[in-house]
Amino acid sequence: DAGVTQSPTHLIKTRGQQVTLRCSPKSGHDTVSWYQQALGQGPQFIFQYYEEEERQRGNFPDRFSGHQFPNYSSELNVNALLLGDSALYLCASSLAAGVADTQYFGPGTRLTVL
Amino acid sequence: AQSVTQLDSQVPVFEEAPVELRCNYSSSVSVYLFWYVQYPNQGLQLLLKYLSGSTLVESINGFEAEFNKSQTSFHLRKPSVHISDTAEYFCAVSDSTGTALIFGKGTTLSVSS
Repeated sequence: DAGVTQSPTHLIKTRGQQVTLRCSPKSGHDTVSWYQQALGQGPQFIFQYYEEEERQRGNFPDRFSGHQFPNYSSELNVNALLLGDSALYLCASSLAAGVADTQYFGPGTRLTVL
Repeated sequence: AQSVTQLDSQVPVFEEAPVELRCNYSSSVSVYLFWYVQYPNQGLQLLLKYLSGSTLVESINGFEAEFNKSQTSFHLRKPSVHISDTAEYFCAVSDSTGTALIFGKGTTLSVSS
């Protein structure tokens, strides 16, 4: 049973560029959440997708956008990159049915903005 | 709004010693509480969670945490740690919708021989 997978593993971009990160949820899961983990900090919730719609959003600017596909996989897009966007981006999947259902995390994508 | 405070950023202990990682939360509504562990260069793994019922919850690898509503705490304990327990530990609370997780800043547990 494959867990949550993310690609790429590492990414280096320069300020002002755009980036797309990808996530495939755990088998059987239909909900995908994205988190940003800055160095030395806990993860911060960016947004959650369910049924191809953004279900809830954290305190992140519109430069951060996402998409969920019919197969439940998801993308996180960040436009006009800033140095402060350098972080580990974590994807988590869960079942939408349960409140506070366990979220299973992928290994993350390490984004470095120069 | 919910928030989580992990009171210790680093906890160094010797192998086979007991350990407690402290977590306090702030919330005006009923909460669900979680402990996640992050090994180097890996994603987060759920260690244990409290949703309702018994205030003492246990994990399969010997950790336990107790939900204390009056003290708004959810401390993580293990009676005897192993070298392999060395990792970053995050306490988290679900938001009022039960959708997003709100994490503390983490506690680095370093177990040495």
